[in-house]
Amino acid sequence: GAVVSQHPSRVICKSGTSVKIECRSLDFQATTMFWYRQFPKKSLMLMATSNEGSKATYEQGVEKDKFLINHASLTLSTLTVTSAHPEDSSFYICSARNTDRGVYGYTFGSGTRLTVV
Amino acid sequence: KQEVTQIPAALSVPEGENLVLNCSFTDSAIYNLQWFRQDPGKGLTSLLLIQSSQREQTSGRLNASLDKSSGRSTLYIAASQPGDSATYLCAVRPPGQNFVFGPGTRLSVLP
Repeated sequence: GAVVSQHPSRVICKSGTSVKIECRSLDFQATTMFWYRQFPKKSLMLMATSNEGSKATYEQGVEKDKFLINHASLTLSTLTVTSAHPEDSSFYICSARNTDRGVYGYTFGSGTRLTVV
Repeated sequence: KQEVTQIPAALSVPEGENLVLNCSFTDSAIYNLQWFRQDPGKGLTSLLLIQSSQREQTSGRLNASLDKSSGRSTLYIAASQPGDSATYLCAVRPPGQNFVFGPGTRLSVLP
C-alpha cells in the first residue's frame, strides 16, 4: 500500500513552454503533498507544500509564479513549470503524506527528469 | 538552520564487504531520522526510520544507529551485494518541519 505515482518520468521541452507534472496517491488520500527539486549530486530541496483545497506554501527563494502548484483533490497535486528555461532542468520528486501511517506516512514518487532545451 | 552532511560522498567496495555510511546533522532537535535509498533516475525508498528517542533500528542486513546528542547517524550494511548499489540519503525531520536531506552517498558494490 501507500503508492505515489508521478508522471511523466521524463520530459523534454523547449525554452518558453510550460510543463505539468502530476503526483497521485493511488491507494490513500493525501491532504498534504510536497514537491522537491534535486540538483545533480546535491540534496533534495523542498520547494513547496501543497495543501488540498488551499494555496501552496512555498519555501524561501522558490518563485511562486514559475512553479505553479495545484492540489485540487485528495489524490492529485500538480506542479507546472511555467515559461521553462534551461536552468529549470532538474529532477523533481513529489511526496505524499498518509496520515494513517503515522511517522512512516511519507511516500515518495518516482521522480520526473525535466530537460529544457 | 539544520544542515545534513554525509560521508563519504562515494564508495566502491567488493561484494561481500561490510560497510558503514555516515550522516551528521547540526541541530540535535529532531523528530526523527530516516535513511532512504535512491536508484539512478528514480524516487526514494524508505529503508529505516529512527525516532528521536531510539538508538537504532534494524531491517535485514541493514542497521541504522542514532546518537542525537552528537548529531550523528550511521547506516551499516552487512555482506554487501551488487543490488545494494544506489545512492543512500539521510534525512532528519526537525519538529514541525519537513525533511532536511543530506547530499547522499553513492555506493557501488562490485561483483
